[in-house]
Formats: sequence, structure tokens, C-alpha cells
Amino acid sequence: EPEVTQTPSHQVTQMGQEVILRCVPISNHLYFYWYRQILGQKVEFLVSFYNNEISEKSEIFDDQFSVERPDGSNFTLKIRSTKLEDSAMYFCASSRGQGNQPQHFGDGTRLSIL
Amino acid sequence: QKEVEQNSGPLSVPEGAIASLNCTYSDRGSQSFFWYRQYSGKSPELIMSIYSNGDKEDGRFTAQLNKASQYVSLLIRDSQPSDSATYLCAPWGGFTGGGNKLTFGTGTQLKVEL
Repeated sequence: EPEVTQTPSHQVTQMGQEVILRCVPISNHLYFYWYRQILGQKVEFLVSFYNNEISEKSEIFDDQFSVERPDGSNFTLKIRSTKLEDSAMYFCASSRGQGNQPQHFGDGTRLSIL
Repeated sequence: QKEVEQNSGPLSVPEGAIASLNCTYSDRGSQSFFWYRQYSGKSPELIMSIYSNGDKEDGRFTAQLNKASQYVSLLIRDSQPSDSATYLCAPWGGFTGGGNKLTFGTGTQLKVEL
């Protein structure tokens, strides 16, 4: 069964450094998402992406964050200058369409900021 | 602010029993409802979706939706130790306000005891 794949599984970075989290969505899916989950807390929406542009973003997704689909398969989340509070699990998800189409999640990247 | 409320648990049931997980939501515009299972340290895994009032059955799982009461539930029959996980309720709020994001509850931790 097709899967969303994420790399790396664990990223350790010094505060202030830039990180790029990578995702390969399911191949026939058109909508892409990033969520994050701080340890012990809810899964929180960050951003959704469709047709090569952001369709919605949350308050968390400030100017330090950006997303890109650099080619036909990858979808990336960049954090420009990491803070301690960015430490979390970051999940990429994709869906075939909107609304009734479920979102399928990758295994996540654990981001640890030192 | 759209809220999704779940009893955090833990909900403990003996093996073979029925586990009942409940979720209430504040957004009356919610149109689709998804149940995800999340094992500790892992990503959300879709187990059920429901769009219309009433019951929907899939194997040992039954989702129940009552839009008038803004209530959705998940029943797990013949509970197994492998069902021990956190169950996340995620309504999709529709196109009003834009976007395609899921709003997750805190989840209910289920423990199935031998």
C-alpha cells in the first residue's frame, strides 16, 4: 500500500540553525500538509499546500517557516532559525482531494533543538 | 476557536470487551469526521471515517455520528491488547474559513488489559 515517507526520522540541530524536513507524499495525492506534535500535546496543523501554493496556514506557521515542492515528488518544510520550542514531531500528510478524502500521515521526523 | 473534546483517559477495558470512545466538537459546520489511532511515539494512523448521521461499521470498529448533538463516537468490539493506543478524533470543518486542515482532539488513551 502506498505510504507517505519522511526523512530524516530524527534530526538534532543547534538553536538558530536552519533545518529542512523532507517528505514524499503518496504519488496520486494532490494536497499536502505539515502538522506537528509537541511531546504530550495535541497534533497541530501547520500548513496545507495545493497546486504549488499554500492554501492555508496556522498562527504557528510564521515567517521562520516555509514549504516547497521542489520537484514532482518531494515536499519540504524549512525552519530558518530554529528555537528551542520548535522541538517536536513533525508529520507530513497527503490526501487525494479535499473534505471527504482522508489524510494519510508519514512516520514523522523527531526534531530536537539543543 | 474550534474545539474538539475527548476524555483523555486512560480508558481501561478487559480483553474481549467493547471499548467506547467519545468526542464532541464545537464547529457546527464540520462535515467529515476521522478517527486516527496513534501508538506511543508513532504517527496517526487512519482507522475510520464517517460523513453522515448514523452508524458505520468496518470490521471490529463502528463509528457513530450525531451532527445535531455535535457528537461522534468510536466503538471497538472484541478489544485486543494491540488496540492499546491513543485514539484521536479529527473533524474536518468544511470549506467555510478556507483550507483543508484537520483539528485534532487531545485523544483518549485506551488500555486493553489481559
